[in-house]
Amino acid sequence: AQSVTQLDSHVSVSEGTPVLLRCNYSSSYSPSLFWYVQHPNKGLQLLLKYTSAATLVKGINGFEAEFKKSETSFHLTKPSAHMSDAAEYFCVVSYLTGTASKLTFGTGTRLQVTL
Amino acid sequence: GAVVSQHPSRVICKSGTSVKIECRSLDFQATTMFWYRQFPKQSLMLMATSNEGSKATYEQGVEKDKFLINHASLTLSTLTVTSAHPEDSSFYICSASLSETQYFGPGTRLLVL
Repeated sequence: AQSVTQLDSHVSVSEGTPVLLRCNYSSSYSPSLFWYVQHPNKGLQLLLKYTSAATLVKGINGFEAEFKKSETSFHLTKPSAHMSDAAEYFCVVSYLTGTASKLTFGTGTRLQVTL
Repeated sequence: GAVVSQHPSRVICKSGTSVKIECRSLDFQATTMFWYRQFPKQSLMLMATSNEGSKATYEQGVEKDKFLINHASLTLSTLTVTSAHPEDSSFYICSASLSETQYFGPGTRLLVL
C-alpha cells in the first residue's frame, strides 16, 4: 500500500527566508511522487514530480524537492519565500491500479509567509 | 499546456434537485479523469475514476446512484449530484490524466440549501 505523511500541518516563515516542507512516503515499489499547491478556493497546481529519473527535481516558482530512498523522504524546499507562496501544499504518491494511476494525498501543509 | 476547466465554479441549489458539473481538458485528450471531494481544511478524497467509453469506477463508500459520472468524450467528463442534500455541500475537483500526471481543474463549490 502507498501512503504519504506530511510532518507539519502548518509552517510559518518570514519573507525572504528558506522554506522546508517535509514529506515521508511509504510504497511497496518505486514510487512516483508529486507536490501540488492549492491557493484558497482554487484547484491544485502541479509544482513538480519525481518519476525515477534525477533525484533532485526542480519545479516551478523556484521550488525543488529531493527524493531520498534511504530516508523515504521527498521534502520540498525553496531558498527564499515570497508572499505569494502562502498556500496549502500537498505531497502525493501515485500508484497503479488496473489501467489507471491513482493518487494518495498527504494531509497537507499550510504555508504562511510573514513580512 | 495541460489545462483543465470546470463549470460552474460555484453553484447553489435547493435540496432535492440535481446538479451537473462539467470537467474539460482544454488542450489534451484524457482517457481517464478523476473526481475528488474536498471538505474544509482537509485533503482531497477520491470519489471515482471516469473512463472514456466505459463505466466509472467508484471508491468504496461512494454511492454511484447519487454521483452519476459520464465520460462522453476524451475531453469531457460530467458529475451529476442527484437529489442533492445539504450534506452534499462541498468542494468538488476533477483531474485529467496525461502521461501519468494528473492535472486539476479549479474546482466547483456546491452549496445545497
